[in-house]
Amino acid sequence: EAGVVQSPRYKIIEKKQPVAFWCNPISGHNTLYWYRQNLGQGPELLIRYENEEAVDDSQLPKDRFSAERLKGVDSTLKIQPAELGDSAVYLCASSRELVLFEKSDSGANVLTFGAGSRLTVL
Amino acid sequence: GIQVEQSPPDLILQEGANSTLRCNFSDSVNNLQWFHQNPWGQLINLFYIPSGTKQNGRLSATTVATERYSLLYISSSQTTDSGVYFCAVASGYSTLTFGKGTMLLVSP
Repeated sequence: EAGVVQSPRYKIIEKKQPVAFWCNPISGHNTLYWYRQNLGQGPELLIRYENEEAVDDSQLPKDRFSAERLKGVDSTLKIQPAELGDSAVYLCASSRELVLFEKSDSGANVLTFGAGSRLTVL
Repeated sequence: GIQVEQSPPDLILQEGANSTLRCNFSDSVNNLQWFHQNPWGQLINLFYIPSGTKQNGRLSATTVATERYSLLYISSSQTTDSGVYFCAVASGYSTLTFGKGTMLLVSP
C-alpha cells in the first residue's frame, strides 16, 4: 500500500509570503496529524484530526496557521504570512484509529509518517 | 503535559557494538512508541510498546510502565542503524509527545 504522501518536499519563500502543504494519509486511516520539527528537536504537534474534526489544535498558532481536512481524507496546512521562525520540516502522519487500551498488536495506534516538507523562509 | 526525557543525547559506536537507549516520562501512559529517523529525515515506527517487551530482529524494547521508563536495545549495531531515535508517549486520548531524541552514529 502507498504510504503517507506529502508535497512539496522543499519550499523556499520570502517572509510574509503564503505557503501551503498537502498530505494524503494511508487509505483507511481516520486519524491525521501535522507535526513541526525544528533542527535538532523532536516533532511537535500542530494539529490532530479524527476524520474531519480537529480534536487537538491547542499548539497551532492560529493567527497565521490554518488547516483543513475536507471529507476526512486529504489535508492542507497553510501559513500566511510566513515568518523567519517558521523555517522547519512539516511532517504529516496518520494512524488507523486512536484506541485507548489496545489489547492486541492490531497496529491501530501506530503512527506512519510522510517524508516531510522542508520550509525555508528567507 | 507529559515530559519526556531521552538519554544519552548522543552516542557513537563501532559497528558490532551493543547499546541501550533510555526514555523517562513524567506520568502514566497508555501509548508509547519508538521511532528511528534516518539521515534523510524519514521517521519509521520501530515499536508500539506501552508495556512489556518486544523484539524485532536486532532491536528490542522494554517498557516498565509502573516505573515510567522504556529502554530500546540495539545489538550488533550496523552503520544503517545511524540516525536519531525518538521516544513518544501519550496518556488517555491525548496525542503523542516526542522526546528530543538520541542521535546515534555507528562507524565502520
